Amino acid sequence: NAGVTQTPKFRILKIGQSMTLQCTQDMNHNYMYWYRQDPGMGLKLIYYSVGAGITDKGEVPNGYNVSRSTTEDFPLRLELAAPSQTSVYFCASRGQGDLAKNIQYFGAGTRLSVL
Amino acid sequence: AQSVAQPEDQVNVAEGNPLTVKCTYSVSGNPYLFWYVQYPNRGLQFLLKYITGDNLVKGSYGFEAEFNKSQTSFHLKKPSALVSDSALYFCAVRDGRSNYQLIWGAGTKLIIKP
Repeated sequence: NAGVTQTPKFRILKIGQSMTLQCTQDMNHNYMYWYRQDPGMGLKLIYYSVGAGITDKGEVPNGYNVSRSTTEDFPLRLELAAPSQTSVYFCASRGQGDLAKNIQYFGAGTRLSVL
Repeated sequence: AQSVAQPEDQVNVAEGNPLTVKCTYSVSGNPYLFWYVQYPNRGLQFLLKYITGDNLVKGSYGFEAEFNKSQTSFHLKKPSALVSDSALYFCAVRDGRSNYQLIWGAGTKLIIKP
């Protein structure tokens, strides 16, 4: 079972470059999330989506953009990369229904360095 | 303000001993509380949750957590630690203002020594 798949696993960017972090899930989940994880810190929510065509900002959205054209895919775009965006990025999705409610399923992460 | 606190950056336990990883929270409304585990170079995995009902909830890998409303705590426990339990543990609470979001603690590194 694939679950939540993120690509790439690692990436090094130069300051000012752009890139897209890919995230896809095969569980037919409506809710999807992008987080960043900095050393010694908890997860910070960047953007989230409650369904195809609907996205909203989280706690730390500056410097990022997202789109949600399908239920499965939720790419995160970095424009004009900065050293402050060096982090590990996690995509997650959330199931529906009473039993699965509120449980988020995570991808393996993308480790990004901006130099 | 809504928040989750994990007061210990690291917890060291000898294999076979009981372990406790602490979590306290502050949230409006009824708390939905979660524990997740992160192994090295992996994404987070759900361990257990408290929504309502018994204050002691059981989860994966022999872990359990005790909800204490008066102390606003949700400590993670295991009667007998294994070396393979060594990982990073995160406590989270549903944001009372939103059905969609979780508020995360900073994480506690659990080290089990043989």
